[in-house]
Amino acid sequence: AQSVTQLDSQVPVFEEAPVELRCNYSSSVSVYLFWYVQYPNQGLQLLLKYLSGSTLVESINGFEAEFNKSQTSFHLRKPSVHISDTAEYFCAVSPPGGADGLTFGKGTHLIIQP
Amino acid sequence: KAGVTQTPRYLIKTRGQQVTLSCSPISGHRSVSWYQQTPGQGLQFLFEYFSETQRNKGNFPGRFSGRQFSNSRSEMNVSTLELGDSALYLCASSLTRYEQYFGPGTRLTVT
Repeated sequence: AQSVTQLDSQVPVFEEAPVELRCNYSSSVSVYLFWYVQYPNQGLQLLLKYLSGSTLVESINGFEAEFNKSQTSFHLRKPSVHISDTAEYFCAVSPPGGADGLTFGKGTHLIIQP
Repeated sequence: KAGVTQTPRYLIKTRGQQVTLSCSPISGHRSVSWYQQTPGQGLQFLFEYFSETQRNKGNFPGRFSGRQFSNSRSEMNVSTLELGDSALYLCASSLTRYEQYFGPGTRLTVT
């Protein structure tokens, strides 16, 4: 079984400042890692994923995440945030076979202050 | 391509009733998964269907059931509704098992 811990339920940050959203996971097997974003009254959108290969993965809108196997972490970063980044961010894991669906963290609410 | 669609978007039911939610996946996607999202428990996996067969199941009581049709559309049913079933129910479709695309969800309120 896997579990995901998002250490911060809420992260306030000023516009154009950098941000890091933390995610740690626990699993007895190797996993795939994901970040999803949820805007108000909407479903989840896949932001980026790590399946294998380079441990640094990037999204098209400036976010990046780095897989750290020794620390079992997959933190999400952005060097400069915008008001439009205000949303709930979910870290998720899945075993490579995809069984048991995605296991999600509790989410981090990113609040961008002008 | 059209995204995942879910109907209805909002629903109000009374305790003891049953409800059926519908999900139409992205064209060509044969896998459909369902998740429940609540403020207290967060996002929890309900079940996954692939080619009309339930492939995986989460830890939910038997009141929660689902099915998938030959066109990959899926329905989930909750019988004997309880107040705690109030939640956002999300459907996700996928072509591969590690990239899921979510619909906007159905907001179910049980009174």
